[in-house]
Amino acid sequence: KNEVEQSPQNLTAQEGEFITINCSYSVGISALHWLQQHPGGGIVSLFMLSSGKKKHGRLIATINIQEKHSSLHITASHPRDSAVYICAVRHAGGTSYGKLTFGQGTILTVHP
Amino acid sequence: GAGVSQSPSNKVTEKGKDVELRCDPISGHTALYWYRQRLGQGLEFLIYFQGNSAPDKSGLPSDRFSAERTGESVSTLTIQRTQQEDSAVYLCASSLLSIGLSNEQFFGPGTRLTVL
Repeated sequence: KNEVEQSPQNLTAQEGEFITINCSYSVGISALHWLQQHPGGGIVSLFMLSSGKKKHGRLIATINIQEKHSSLHITASHPRDSAVYICAVRHAGGTSYGKLTFGQGTILTVHP
Repeated sequence: GAGVSQSPSNKVTEKGKDVELRCDPISGHTALYWYRQRLGQGLEFLIYFQGNSAPDKSGLPSDRFSAERTGESVSTLTIQRTQQEDSAVYLCASSLLSIGLSNEQFFGPGTRLTVL
C-alpha cells in the first residue's frame, strides 16, 4: 500500500461544479502540500498545510491530522482548472526529514 | 531572475555517459529539493538540502546519483554511467524555510533527460 493515496485518480466535471479531491496518508508528517501540474509539465505549489484549513481564491484545502486525511476543494470550477493535482507529505523528522512522498495524482478535466 | 531556473532544459545522452544537471534556486531560499518524474508516473523525491545541514539523500535511487550544493546557491545533480531507466524530467524546487515550519516550494521548469 502506498504511503500517500489520492482519490479519485480521474475526475471529469462540468464548468461551475464543486470539486473535491481526497488524500490519505499513513506516515507521520510535518506538513502536507497540494501541487498543480499543467499539461505542459510546469508545477505550482497551491498549499502547504500542517493543520486546519487554507483558502486561496476558489481553492480550499483542509487537513485532519488525527484522521491522516486532506481534501482539496475547487468551487465554481473552470476549464482552466484542468490539470493534475498532486498531494505530497513531508515526513516528520528522523533521517528522512526532508523527504516528500507524493500521491499518484488526480487528473481533473473540466468541460465548458 | 525571479524564479527557479534549471539547465539544460533538454539533455540527450548515450547510455553509460555521465550527465550533470544544474539548478539555480531563488535567491535567499535556504532549502533546495531535487525530484524526478518518469514519463506517465508521479513525482519521486531524490534529495533535499537545507542550509549547512547534512542533506537528506534518502531518495537517491542508486550510488550513481549524487548532488552537491555550495552554501545556499547553485546545486548540481550528477548521474554517472547513465541508464535508460534514468530517462525522466528532473525537477528542482526551492523554499524559504523557517525554523519549525516548511514553506511552499517553488519549482523550476525541469530538465528533460533522455538516455539512448
